[in-house]
Amino acid sequence: EVQLVQSGAEVKKPGESLKISCKGSGYSFTSYWIGWVRQMPGKGLEWMGIIYPGDSDTRYSPSFQGQVTISADKSISTAYLQWSSLKASDTAMYYCVRQYSSSWYPPFFDYWGQGTLVTVSS
Amino acid sequence: DIQLTQSPSFLSASVGDRVTITCRASQGISSYLAWYQQKPGKAPKLLIYAASTLQSGVPSRFSGSGSGTEFTLTISSLQPEDFATYYCQQLNSYLSYTFGQGTKLEIK
Repeated sequence: EVQLVQSGAEVKKPGESLKISCKGSGYSFTSYWIGWVRQMPGKGLEWMGIIYPGDSDTRYSPSFQGQVTISADKSISTAYLQWSSLKASDTAMYYCVRQYSSSWYPPFFDYWGQGTLVTVSS
Repeated sequence: DIQLTQSPSFLSASVGDRVTITCRASQGISSYLAWYQQKPGKAPKLLIYAASTLQSGVPSRFSGSGSGTEFTLTISSLQPEDFATYYCQQLNSYLSYTFGQGTKLEIK
């Protein structure tokens, strides 16, 4: 069974750093792109970026370039999303997603993690 | 960037109704569109990919159509468990994706 299991909720202060994780299981972790999606309180979904754990090729949405870092450790089938200096506006739910890609269909996000709630408040 | 506009943003309907949600892209995206359903406090769930292909396990009352710049998600006969928020997503721009703003489907 394919699963993406994310790390638990975090409460941080502005200016602090943070790294949240997403562990994949039940499939070949290095063969699928893993992405991150933000959902601010009461708002819609925003695509942040994506990484291919097989070679660490990483792409960012222009809105998030330079604001976060996406990485992966294929030895433990885990992807990460990190901030070096959090802001109150980073308060949101963050989801990791698996991208299914094939020669036959356009890509899509077939599995989602349960979400990690990040709260940034002084 | 490719923008997606969903309409309506809010929809009130009754059990048994047929409803349609539209998603318009700012430029042509072929069939590179997916639809997701999100219930309160839960992660989104894939319903439709490649504009019209039903994800395994999704009830057949859900269907998708369209190509290019205009797409629709139709629920043929609303069930109580279908009241949720629906999002379209374009995956045409290589590794640069966007979501629509969402359509909240509420019980009338």
